[in-house]
Amino acid sequence: RKEVEQDPGPFNVPEGATVAFNCTYSNSASQSFFWYRQDCRKEPKLLMSVYSSGNEDGRFTAQLNRASQYISLLIRDSKLSDSATYLCVVADYQLIWGAGTKLIIKP
Amino acid sequence: DARVTQTPRHKVTEMGQEVTMRCQPILGHNTVFWYRQTMMQGLELLAYFRNRAPLDDSGMPKDRFSAEMPDATLATLKIQPSEPRDSAVYFCASGTGQRNTGELFFGEGSRLTVL
Repeated sequence: RKEVEQDPGPFNVPEGATVAFNCTYSNSASQSFFWYRQDCRKEPKLLMSVYSSGNEDGRFTAQLNRASQYISLLIRDSKLSDSATYLCVVADYQLIWGAGTKLIIKP
Repeated sequence: DARVTQTPRHKVTEMGQEVTMRCQPILGHNTVFWYRQTMMQGLELLAYFRNRAPLDDSGMPKDRFSAEMPDATLATLKIQPSEPRDSAVYFCASGTGQRNTGELFFGEGSRLTVL
């Protein structure tokens, strides 16, 4: 089992819809969690940190479920510009990267 | 805007040649990471430096890869000799905290093709 697993997708979603995807992790001692966004042929960029209480940034909501060992990312009112690969990162004493979930928003 | 700068952006070389990639981290950042990304493997950590000291290079093939930080403004990743399986995008990233602090700033990457 991989340390951090994501559904590779692609998720094909119509513009304006809500989409959510999860990332599971194997180390229960993991301390910090993050979502990064990577556009095609570009570098990853931090989208948001994931706090125990959950957090929201505009149309994006991140949640942590420690009991089931997963984090989630919810995107509301999706835009064409949200099309990207979303990478989750889990940190214990090091950063462990998921392979990413590809999201395609269609007009 | 402060950013991580990587050179070269693109490199095509023949098998057996030496390849050197350079990275200028953001001024004031004390952690530097080298990652390799392929379609099949995703992001793989090759090397990690903190305050210029190499702390983890366990992900790096030691026989052909080497990573150094000759000073705080320059990190290098060298492949000698290069092989076709080294073809990938190599990212440098820098940050301000511990290795488990997730906010890293990435360079635009060096896209390497080894023929």
